[in-house]
Amino acid sequence: QSALTQAASVSASPGQSITISCSGTSRDVGKYDLVSWYQQHPGKAPKLMIYEVNKRPSGIYNRFSGSKSGNTAFLTISGLQAEDEAYYYCCSYAGSGTYVVFGGGTKLTVL
Amino acid sequence: QVQLQESGPGLVRPSETLSLTCTVSDDSFSNYYWSWIRQPPEKGLEWIGYIYSSGITTYNPSLKSRVTISVDTSRNQFSLSLNSVTAADTAVYYCARVPPPYKNTGTYKYYFDYWGQGTLVTVSS
Repeated sequence: QSALTQAASVSASPGQSITISCSGTSRDVGKYDLVSWYQQHPGKAPKLMIYEVNKRPSGIYNRFSGSKSGNTAFLTISGLQAEDEAYYYCCSYAGSGTYVVFGGGTKLTVL
Repeated sequence: QVQLQESGPGLVRPSETLSLTCTVSDDSFSNYYWSWIRQPPEKGLEWIGYIYSSGITTYNPSLKSRVTISVDTSRNQFSLSLNSVTAADTAVYYCARVPPPYKNTGTYKYYFDYWGQGTLVTVSS
């Protein structure tokens, strides 16, 4: 069982927007602005999409955005494209002692 | 372009020690933290631990008693050792880079900006 909770799957049509949530606690997501998101295509390594809640690495499209409210973090993908179909994992710092925790992953299907 | 490459045996016997090495092509190897993360088949990601070039390590508490991460800055390599393995340790093992702390505040960063392609390690007799 993962420390952060994500829906197992979400789906949407091309061009639409989708928001993936990541539920944590006041000891991780709620306490630190240190949430990151990773995209993983089947058989491939994860790829950093968002770090520190809402920052995009160089080369990541601005269709990807991150936010946080309370103990829940969100990844929003606008203008969905077929290539966005993948698993998405959230990750958070959880303080000294636990350090780094991941969500169980959400499978995004682009219909 | 930063590249990371995992290497090591793909099959380990139960109760033995899993050993992997990550070779990094990065001229600034000594400036970064380096991490191991694993993913059991059809499951999510699990952080194992990370190391700085000085040798300072931090481990996942759930694995701490069995894990050792070491670094060889002369070869731009860092390694993972996991002892007393069981079938539950079967996973794809990834190495990844963690950016250094912010210079102005010293605030640590806890995200992984470059990853290796991963290597599957199966624990089986």
